[in-house]
Amino acid sequence: GAVVSQHPSRVICKSGTSVKIECRSLDFQATTMFWYRQFPKQSLMLMATSNEGSKATYEQGVEKDKFLINHASLTLSTLTVTSAHPEDSSFYICSAPLHASSYEQYFGPGTRLTVT
Amino acid sequence: GDSVTQMEGPVTLSEEAFLTINCTYTATGYPSLFWYVQYPGEGLQLLLKATKADDKGSNKGFEATYRKETTSFHLEKGSVQVSDSAVYFCALINQGGKLIFGQGTELSVKP
Repeated sequence: GAVVSQHPSRVICKSGTSVKIECRSLDFQATTMFWYRQFPKQSLMLMATSNEGSKATYEQGVEKDKFLINHASLTLSTLTVTSAHPEDSSFYICSAPLHASSYEQYFGPGTRLTVT
Repeated sequence: GDSVTQMEGPVTLSEEAFLTINCTYTATGYPSLFWYVQYPGEGLQLLLKATKADDKGSNKGFEATYRKETTSFHLEKGSVQVSDSAVYFCALINQGGKLIFGQGTELSVKP
């Protein structure tokens, strides 16, 4: 099946610094990718939709200046958490549909961010 | 708004026991319904899906039937194995094309 990778799998950073998380589709091209946030014992919450070559679409309540998304190529989307704070500590997951019209999404393994 | 509610975990079963994980939804129209599974250290994988009322999705011995009248999509397996230990997520795609997840149910199967 289709594979989506994320890097890094875990990252620890200090308050006030920025962290970049990469999401790659390894064997298919993705014009759209999705970024989710997962809190312990809770559901995945959609943060934003990343669109190749254009601006990301953010969900209500998600700060676009804090969570910068760049989808510079058909296989790579990045999420940068700027000026991170401890409350940004979470599990971040990306996904991509195999085809633009497909409802079936392939998920990355997630990135555990800890802000100290 | 659209939402998905799952039974709380963790669910602990012995090998070969019968599994049911309840899932109900609230949505406008008739959404497609999914079960995803997340094994330890891995990303979510699609387990099964159903796109219309009375459809039954099945995979790896798991089944779920789309019940419009009860707005439910309960996951069942007749005989679980240790390797089924994972977190299971019920989800729907809403009219806006977005995946809405339940909170996940952790399943632990003991030998």
